[in-house]
Amino acid sequence: QVQLQESGPGLVKPSETLSLTCTVSGGSLSGYYWSWIRQPPGRGLEWIGYIYDSGSTNYNPSLKSRVTISADMSKNQFSLKLSSVTAADTALYFCARPGGMGYFYYFDLWGRGTLVTVSS
Amino acid sequence: QSALTQPASVSGSPGQSITISCTGTSSDVGGYTYVSWYQQLPGKAPKLIIYGVRNRPSGVSNRFSGSKSGNTASLTISGLQAEDEADYYCSSYTSSSALVFGGGTKLAVL
Repeated sequence: QVQLQESGPGLVKPSETLSLTCTVSGGSLSGYYWSWIRQPPGRGLEWIGYIYDSGSTNYNPSLKSRVTISADMSKNQFSLKLSSVTAADTALYFCARPGGMGYFYYFDLWGRGTLVTVSS
Repeated sequence: QSALTQPASVSGSPGQSITISCTGTSSDVGGYTYVSWYQQLPGKAPKLIIYGVRNRPSGVSNRFSGSKSGNTASLTISGLQAEDEADYYCSSYTSSSALVFGGGTKLAVL
């Protein structure tokens, strides 16, 4: 059974870079579009972007200038870096996998989420 | 890209049916059949309940159904149960090759 687990610092200072990792257990990164999604406290979901196993990426246009998603196939992990963070980036960050290979638009497997707070 | 528009809240009594709307544009909801719906319980990750406008993943109750007309997608829950009380989100693929979510709808089962 494939499981996802987010990890990373829970507190980041303003203007610094947020870095998170999603570890995929029980399965491989190959063939799927792996996404990051976030949810500010008490608010809705926002898609951040995805990486495909070959390394191709696609980002939310509103975050594109600050986002980098990468993958380490040998470790079965993919990562998120969000630069120049502000309080508006405080959110619960989820990693997610789509319901089928070749799709990225719907997610049937999610991590539990990790809360990142931006504060000095 | 702007979030899809959902009502902030809806409510219904046990056994009733309710419908949650999700309005976008011809560049997202209206232009593709890539609309999905999620149920989110407090403190939990979202759970996929509808994909491809009207398809239910294995294990999801047939009380949940999806449809689309023009730029508006809809989620209908029939035979409302107390356990259905949750937040519901729609999402759609966009012409920018991105994904956009709705603002979310809080369902209260009275």
